[in-house]
Amino acid sequence: DAGVIQSPRHEVTEMGQEVTLRCKPISGHDYLFWYRQTMMRGLELLIYFNNNVPIDDSGMPEDRFSAKMPNASFSTLKIQPSEPRDSAVYFCASSLHGPSNEKLFFGSGTQLSVL
Amino acid sequence: TQLLEQSPQFLSIQEGENLTVYCNSSSVFSSLQWYRQEPGEGPVLLVTVVTGGEVKKLKRLTFQFGDARKDSSLHITAAQPGDTGLYLCAGEWANAGKSTFGDGTTLTVKP
Repeated sequence: DAGVIQSPRHEVTEMGQEVTLRCKPISGHDYLFWYRQTMMRGLELLIYFNNNVPIDDSGMPEDRFSAKMPNASFSTLKIQPSEPRDSAVYFCASSLHGPSNEKLFFGSGTQLSVL
Repeated sequence: TQLLEQSPQFLSIQEGENLTVYCNSSSVFSSLQWYRQEPGEGPVLLVTVVTGGEVKKLKRLTFQFGDARKDSSLHITAAQPGDTGLYLCAGEWANAGKSTFGDGTTLTVKP
């Protein structure tokens, strides 16, 4: 298995620009998660999908963040406009059956730097 | 607000030493997981515990879930440099429907 694939691995952008992060979950996994990791706040759940439908987006920081899952094999997390405080590592993860008590498979993350 | 606390935040030891890291909450967990994260990679699941008092072993790693299901520990015997990483616990509180990650313990094992 290829595992969860994220792109790009690194993204450097200027404040105000639009940023799009991409994720391909493991084939057959029904759940997809977007996390953000920072030194200050640790690993935070932003949003998760079940069968391509957003279930819980309570962790999305504000309207500048949006996530989509147009099909079972692709998801995007978009930040528009980006701000320096958005700098973090963004992880995508997938699981077979649910958001808890289930094995989450994480991608290698996207290191985002907003200057 | 329910909080999940991990301790210590940082731990640096010599190869061959034993260590224990902790995960605590004031609320009861319905399940708890331990992950290890290496630099530049995502977390990888080590174990899931669901029963109070449960003990699981994974080679030199021993995981224990407290009887009251409010705490958990991870003990590593004869640590090796390959054990270096960030150890995260993730707990699900009753009826939460999702897990919350702690801030982690950063372990460094020196050769």
